[in-house]
Amino acid sequence: GEDVEQSLFLSVREGDSSVINCTYTDSSSTYLYWYKQEPGAGLQLLTYIFSNMDMKQDQRLTVLLNKKDKHLSLRIADTQTGDSAIYFCADPNQAGTALIFGKGTTLSVSS
Amino acid sequence: DTEVTQTPKHLVMGMTNKKSLKCEQHMGHRAMYWYKQKAKKPPELMFVYSYEKLSINESVPSRFSPECPNSSLLNLHLHALQPEDSALYLCASSQEPSNSPLHFGNGTRLTVT
Repeated sequence: GEDVEQSLFLSVREGDSSVINCTYTDSSSTYLYWYKQEPGAGLQLLTYIFSNMDMKQDQRLTVLLNKKDKHLSLRIADTQTGDSAIYFCADPNQAGTALIFGKGTTLSVSS
Repeated sequence: DTEVTQTPKHLVMGMTNKKSLKCEQHMGHRAMYWYKQKAKKPPELMFVYSYEKLSINESVPSRFSPECPNSSLLNLHLHALQPEDSALYLCASSQEPSNSPLHFGNGTRLTVT
């Protein structure tokens, strides 16, 4: 079945760049997604990338996609304390009818 | 601010109670979802409604009963729950049933005593 893997923790200093990595197994995905979850809140759609793209940039966020290696990464430039949250990588199931989430990466930003 | 609204924000219920969770979206989305999220875990899919019809049930116990009264509303009826059902219940919607990003509400924090 489909599987999405992420490292569980990342700790950075304010102003540094953060890079969160994800690997997935289903190669038929049309889109791949990054969601952010702050404590006590739901999931916020951060960004997504179409599978025929290698890179997408959106202000401080850069998404890189390596389809050959089934590797997705999210880079946050100039990381702020407000970026502290759990970041989920998500890959549609084979039918494209629902999202399968990775375990989430907890990003801790210290000042 | 989220465009998917869930009520109530918090719910405490006993194992013999019957309660309902409600979800509403006015974005004209044609698919709606229920996910369950335990602490420190990713969301797990429970149900998918596509054009107001149940299209996916991920082998969820019958004590959870979904309902989609119209294209904007999604309910989750709860009956005879167990303490292990305590979790954050997230509703989401997407423009189309496939290959569209999901937009989530802030969830209902459910505690079963």
